[in-house]
Amino acid sequence: DAKTTQPTSMDCAEGRAANLPCNHSTISGNEYVYWYRQIHSQGPQYIIHGLKNNETNEMASLIITEDRKSSTLILPHATLRDTAVYYCIVRVEEYGNKLVFGAGTILRVKS
Amino acid sequence: GAVVSQHPSRVICKSGTSVKIECRSLDFQATTMFWYRQFPKQSLMLMATSNEGSKATYEQGVEKDKFLINHASLTLSTLTVTSAHPEDSSFYICSARRGSGGASWETQYFGPGTRLLVL
Repeated sequence: DAKTTQPTSMDCAEGRAANLPCNHSTISGNEYVYWYRQIHSQGPQYIIHGLKNNETNEMASLIITEDRKSSTLILPHATLRDTAVYYCIVRVEEYGNKLVFGAGTILRVKS
Repeated sequence: GAVVSQHPSRVICKSGTSVKIECRSLDFQATTMFWYRQFPKQSLMLMATSNEGSKATYEQGVEKDKFLINHASLTLSTLTVTSAHPEDSSFYICSARRGSGGASWETQYFGPGTRLLVL
């Protein structure tokens, strides 16, 4: 079972920041949070991952709360091409660090 | 960035035949590869973990004799759906883990998927 909880869907205006929340209240100290997205009929695309510190790359920023029980993925300037299902995944060591996908959040970017 | 390819991208076969899907890591070596299946409007479900040079580990409920996995090299894993039936029609996606230690920080990259339709 996925260790994360995400909203089912969200809408965002094109050009605005998209903030996607994720709860992972049972996360352990050495488990990483990964974010992927899946555009319709394609394989998942890696976005970003983090452990404790906030992370930023060319695609997005990841903000992790100090207690690590939740995180937020930020797409700074959403475009129509960012419309996808976004998955927040905790890599669980006891499960061999396999990626177990939950339902994710459907992000719809609208013009 | 890391690239994972799959072939074929789409396949249609008759019921009772076998279908082989290839997964390649193009610019990195992958000790571990994974196979997922995705039905329409559902999330990805992990089928099995494939380790180079050893037998695959299957998730509960996945028939190992039906879904044959071979990971013969550090850049190639294959999934063979044997005696395919219409209920096996699905989107099959492979993933390769970059790195060799299995640590939780080693990133997995996904292929584009193979859509299988069994008639």
